[in-house]
Amino acid sequence: QKEVEQNSGPLSVPEGAIASLNCTYSDRGSQSFFWYRQYSGKSPELIMSIYSNGDKEDGRFTAQLNKASQYVSLLIRDSQPSDSATYLCAVNTGFQKLVFGTGTRLLVSP
Amino acid sequence: SAVISQKPSRDICQRGTSLTIQCQVDSQVTMMFWYRQQPGQSLTLIATANQGSEATYESGFVIDKFPISRPNLTFSTLTVSNMSPEDSSIYLCSVDLGQGLDTQYFGPGTRLTVL
Repeated sequence: QKEVEQNSGPLSVPEGAIASLNCTYSDRGSQSFFWYRQYSGKSPELIMSIYSNGDKEDGRFTAQLNKASQYVSLLIRDSQPSDSATYLCAVNTGFQKLVFGTGTRLLVSP
Repeated sequence: SAVISQKPSRDICQRGTSLTIQCQVDSQVTMMFWYRQQPGQSLTLIATANQGSEATYESGFVIDKFPISRPNLTFSTLTVSNMSPEDSSIYLCSVDLGQGLDTQYFGPGTRLTVL
C-alpha cells in the first residue's frame, strides 16, 4: 500500500509567522511531489511542485524535499489569514497517478 | 494552467438512480482523471481516462458502478450508477496538461448527495 502521511492538525499560527507543513511517503520510488491548497467547499489548487532534493521557493512558499528520509515539507512565510485552508500533499507513484495525504488544516489567526 | 469546468456543480439524487458528471477542459489533453473526496476525507483516484482507450480503474472501483466515457481530447463523463447514500461525495476531474512533470489541475468538483 503506497501511503502518504500528514498530520491532520489543525496547525494554528499567528499572522506573520512561518507555517511548517510536513508529509512523509512510503514509496521510495516516487519521483514527483505536490502541494495543493483546498479551501472549504472548493477543489484543490496547485501551490508547489518539487522533484529534486533540496528547496524550491515561490514567493512566500518554499517546498523542501528529502528523498533519503522520504519527507516533503511546505513552509509558508508571513502567513496570512487568507492562507487558512487544508493543505494536501500528493505523491506521484508512477504512471501519472497521484496518491494524496489526508491533509493538514492550517489556521492563521489575525 | 487550463480552464476546467464540471457539470452539475451539485445534485441531490435518490437511491438507485444514476448521475452523469461532465468534465470539459479548454485545451486538448491526453490524460484526464476522476477522483472522489468523501466527507472529511482526502482524494481517492477512481480511474484514469485516456482518449481512444478504455478507462483504467483503481482497486475498489469497477466499470459497472462508475462507467467513464472519453469521446475526445477535451471532454469526459463519469456516471455514478445505482447510487446509495455511501456514494455521497465530491467528484473531481483533473487533467494533466502534458507539460511534463505529471502535474494535475483540478476542476471545481461536483457535490453529490444521495438520499
